[in-house]
Amino acid sequence: ILMTQSPNTLSVSLGERATLSCRASQSISNNLAWYQQKPGQAPRLLIYGATTRATGVPARFSGSGSGTEFTLTISSLQSEDFALYHCQQHSTWPPSWTFGQGTKVEIK
Amino acid sequence: QLQLQESGPGLVKPSETLSVTCIVSGGSIGVSGYYWGWIRQPPGKGLEWIGDIYFSGTTYYNPSLKSRVTISIDTSKKQFSLNLRPVTAADTAVYYCVRRRSGYTNGWYDSWGQGTLVTVSS
Repeated sequence: ILMTQSPNTLSVSLGERATLSCRASQSISNNLAWYQQKPGQAPRLLIYGATTRATGVPARFSGSGSGTEFTLTISSLQSEDFALYHCQQHSTWPPSWTFGQGTKVEIK
Repeated sequence: QLQLQESGPGLVKPSETLSVTCIVSGGSIGVSGYYWGWIRQPPGKGLEWIGDIYFSGTTYYNPSLKSRVTISIDTSKKQFSLNLRPVTAADTAVYYCVRRRSGYTNGWYDSWGQGTLVTVSS
């Protein structure tokens, strides 16, 4: 399954809303995860099952979508949210998980 | 708190074997409920899932890498390992060891090591 994220780069001001998209090449139901990665660090799980926040993730992060179209929304960007975001499908069985190419959220 | 720590060679020659080990602390690797795996990220690129292993030895591999990959586990040493052979420059990447819950489609990774860069070059 091919995962495509858009845009490649998103320029957003502090306090504004950011909307990131992820599209699957075929239906993956709600089997989608989002990760945040800061420079020089490992990715951190934000969302799984398309909408469930991982432990400790702030409420300003929310996920939506099902089937082939998914969205990660950051309601009010904080300075620590500027990072690279990856989506990943966890639908195929046996496992053959695939990731999107990433969306970089940068300061406008 | 669970911690994963990779150790690797740093530099591997083309056509040779890449071997990376992950040591697990703060939790048990030999109990049911979790898969232990590897994900890699070439410099400046996206993430690629390599494969998973269960404490029983059950493995799943990325079909595109399956012919070259072996993942093994040693519960007594609380570690699991990745072997990739033969390598080319395209295998240059940061290699992360990871953990996910077992179960169909429970494919999200909630614990990650810090990553180790392995460069393939002569």
